[in-house]
Amino acid sequence: KQEVTQIPAALSVPEGENLVLNCSFTDSAIYNLQWFRQDPGKGLTSLLLIQSSQREQTSGRLNASLDKSSGRSTLYIAASQPGDSATYLCAVRRMNYGGSQGNLIFGKGTKLSVKP
Amino acid sequence: SAVISQKPSRDICQRGTSLTIQCQVDSQVTMMFWYRQQPGQSLTLIATANQGSEATYESGFVIDKFPISRPNLTFSTLTVSNMSPEDSSIYLCSVSMGQHYEQYFGPGTRLTVT
Repeated sequence: KQEVTQIPAALSVPEGENLVLNCSFTDSAIYNLQWFRQDPGKGLTSLLLIQSSQREQTSGRLNASLDKSSGRSTLYIAASQPGDSATYLCAVRRMNYGGSQGNLIFGKGTKLSVKP
Repeated sequence: SAVISQKPSRDICQRGTSLTIQCQVDSQVTMMFWYRQQPGQSLTLIATANQGSEATYESGFVIDKFPISRPNLTFSTLTVSNMSPEDSSIYLCSVSMGQHYEQYFGPGTRLTVT
């Protein structure tokens, strides 16, 4: 059974700091991995999607890496800003028997607070 | 990408009543997904809704409690029936699109049951 863990559960940093959020998963047979942002009481915004064959993806100040063999992904945020304050969720899409895509399995998220 | 809207955005309901949540997508999609996010928890998949067939429910969720309709390729509804305070959650509609099955979410419906 796939389990997704995110560490730390909460993180508070001063503005301008570079930071890393961690995600680990127990089953390396994944189709892809997606990072989301969730603002309080809101839906999810897709940040980055990494295919199982890729090592990293970049979008602006965000960089996500994937090490499938070790079951790990990191989300790197450069030069953090107060507007980055949100909960960041990692989700792994399982690979079904036969190679088709399965459902997303979510971690519990890391709540980030960036202080001005 | 997909733009997804949900109605209502929030509601406060009495125990024992039912609420129907609507989800509209700006493009045609084969599958629509309904998730629940209980307070302080992550997302849990309730069911997958295909147009023209019965929804597929995940373990722990049943059709009598969460009936789903999928009348066309851009719309779905989720009903939360016979509500109890334990049903207080955010309910999210979602779709996956593109060759890499990127997932998109609606803004959610915040339900409080008193």
